[in-house]
Amino acid sequence: AQSVTQLGSHVSVSEGALVLLRCNYSSSVPPYLFWYVQYPNQGLQLLLKYTSAATLVKGINGFEAEFKKSETSFHLTKPSAHMSDAAEYFCAVSGGGGFKTIFGAGTRLFVKA
Amino acid sequence: EAGVAQSPRYKIIEKRQSVAFWCNPISGHATLYWYQQILGQGPKLLIQFQNNGVVDDSQLPKDRFSAERLKGVDSTLKIQPAKLEDSAVYLCASSLDEGEAFFGQGTRLTVV
Repeated sequence: AQSVTQLGSHVSVSEGALVLLRCNYSSSVPPYLFWYVQYPNQGLQLLLKYTSAATLVKGINGFEAEFKKSETSFHLTKPSAHMSDAAEYFCAVSGGGGFKTIFGAGTRLFVKA
Repeated sequence: EAGVAQSPRYKIIEKRQSVAFWCNPISGHATLYWYQQILGQGPKLLIQFQNNGVVDDSQLPKDRFSAERLKGVDSTLKIQPAKLEDSAVYLCASSLDEGEAFFGQGTRLTVV
């Protein structure tokens, strides 16, 4: 069985500050892990994914995430927030091969000028 | 490359009416998903198809929801009869394998 917990339903940062969105997972098999972003009235767009290669994954728009097996975490970071980063972010886990993709509840990121 | 197409974008119906949503996945993607996203929550998987076979429908309320994927390409999701709590965005997604999923823009359903 798999599950995802996103810590913090809302995160607020100032423009130019570090963005850190937390995600912890559980999985009965080696996981595939994803971060998606959703803008208002839009579908989900993949930011980055981990599929058992390098543990530090770089994605689009300057985001990256690090897979830490010992901590069962896959936190999303960006060194410097931009106003356009304001959106809802979802962490997801899949086991591949017959396992469904499970999403966390989401974290809404606010960026202050 | 064309993305996942969904229609309609918006739908308002009265409770106890029926409604259907359509999804056309990315060409060549064998796996198709329907998710329900209630306001303020993450997407919840309703059903997953591999080609035209159902892989997982454990969270599909089968007394009122049904889905099909004839010929293993496009898919329809139906609700009959609708309840107020069915108000949500219904997202369709497709993938080549069971890793990265590509999402459509969704259909926002309001049941009044």
